[in-house]
Amino acid sequence: DTGVSQDPRHKITKRGQNVTFRCDPISEHNRLYWYRQTLGQGPEFLTYFQNEAQLEKSRLLSDRFSAERPKGSFSTLEIQRTEQGDSAMYLCASSPDRGDQPQHFGDGTRLSIL
Amino acid sequence: GQSLEQPSEVTAVEGAIVQINCTYQTSGFYGLSWYQQHDGGAPTFLSYNGLDGLEETGRFSSFLSRSDSYGYLLLQELQMKDSASYFCAVRAPYNQGGKLIFGQGTELSVKP
Repeated sequence: DTGVSQDPRHKITKRGQNVTFRCDPISEHNRLYWYRQTLGQGPEFLTYFQNEAQLEKSRLLSDRFSAERPKGSFSTLEIQRTEQGDSAMYLCASSPDRGDQPQHFGDGTRLSIL
Repeated sequence: GQSLEQPSEVTAVEGAIVQINCTYQTSGFYGLSWYQQHDGGAPTFLSYNGLDGLEETGRFSSFLSRSDSYGYLLLQELQMKDSASYFCAVRAPYNQGGKLIFGQGTELSVKP
């Protein structure tokens, strides 16, 4: 069990640029979740995948955001035309396809928009 | 809407016991989870209550009363390393994705 891995750990970019983050879940975890966390707040749900299918998207996920999980393994989250308000920690979590199993989080990608 | 309330901060001394309360209002409920997060780190799973009652895991215990929409995390024999933020999170029903809805977190400071 190598845990949930996220890359990069930190990303600094200028407003208006596109950024992409990657998440590698724990192997054999069918469910993969993306959350966003700002300073002093709890994580907020963005979207989740059951294998390769994206089954729910939060209203927080504007049209500038897109997430994929093409082969049901790793996932990417892309933000286009970044804005100051996108600065946050982006967390990925995975869990088995069982209701009583917890979600395990990665260390996150901290995004800073200049 | 869905909301969770927990105290914003708690201070305690090493060796003491501290209880962090959480009340929730949600449209769907599949259990209450607790996570610990150190500065700059990942939320780490501590405990889960799917049914009413007490769950014990080492120095940490968690309690749930579904009729009261209330739960708590109990930390015993506090250590300096327990200084962190603690989040309660309601889990949506699994057939609705099982997403977690988090409270704003309680910052625990353990003093020597």
